[in-house]
Amino acid sequence: EVQVVESGGGSVQPGGSLRLSCAASGFTFNTYWMHWVRQAPGEGLVWVARIDGDGSTTTYADSVKGRFTISRDNAKNTVYLQMNSLRDEDTAVYYCVRRGGCCQDWFDPWGQGTLVTVSS
Amino acid sequence: DIVMTQSPDSLAVSLGERATINCKSSQSVLYSSNNKDYLAWYQHKPGQPPKLLVHWASTRGSGVPDRFSGGGSGTDFTLTISSLQAEDVAVYYCQQYYGTPYTFGGGTKVEIK
Repeated sequence: EVQVVESGGGSVQPGGSLRLSCAASGFTFNTYWMHWVRQAPGEGLVWVARIDGDGSTTTYADSVKGRFTISRDNAKNTVYLQMNSLRDEDTAVYYCVRRGGCCQDWFDPWGQGTLVTVSS
Repeated sequence: DIVMTQSPDSLAVSLGERATINCKSSQSVLYSSNNKDYLAWYQHKPGQPPKLLVHWASTRGSGVPDRFSGGGSGTDFTLTISSLQAEDVAVYYCQQYYGTPYTFGGGTKVEIK
């Protein structure tokens, strides 16, 4: 079964840091782009970042560029999201998602999500 | 950025009746070299992660019931639930993957009338 499972969420003060992890299984991990998508409370879905199969190419939403870093460890079948200089508006459920198709970025499957709360 | 606009924000439909959700993109998401629309639809139920329903605007995802169908091209798209079931109560989102930043519509909440 293709599966992604997030961990690492929690509460942090503004300006703090947090690292999310996403463990993947059931597919050839190093051949798939991986993404993070977030959903703030009561809001819609927002794409955050993506990384290619070997980790050499990354892309970010403007709202997190320079503060968040996506990376991966293909030996561990895990993708990470390092979040620094966190702001109140980063409060959200963060979903790890796999590129659905071989070459295009629809998202399938989605993990259960991990909640990040930024508050003083 | 490509802005995705969904309508309506919510709709209530009787069991067994048709539900139609609209999605409009601020620019075409049709890629001329392969004549494919880079548009996906997701279903998001409370307490669950979103689930892929449709990609390439009209191709159903694996295991998706055939009462769900996607249509449209260019900038105007629809998701139709042909016969609404109780388990279809959810928020539905469209998403363009034509280019980064990938963007979602604001969501349409579907309820039972």
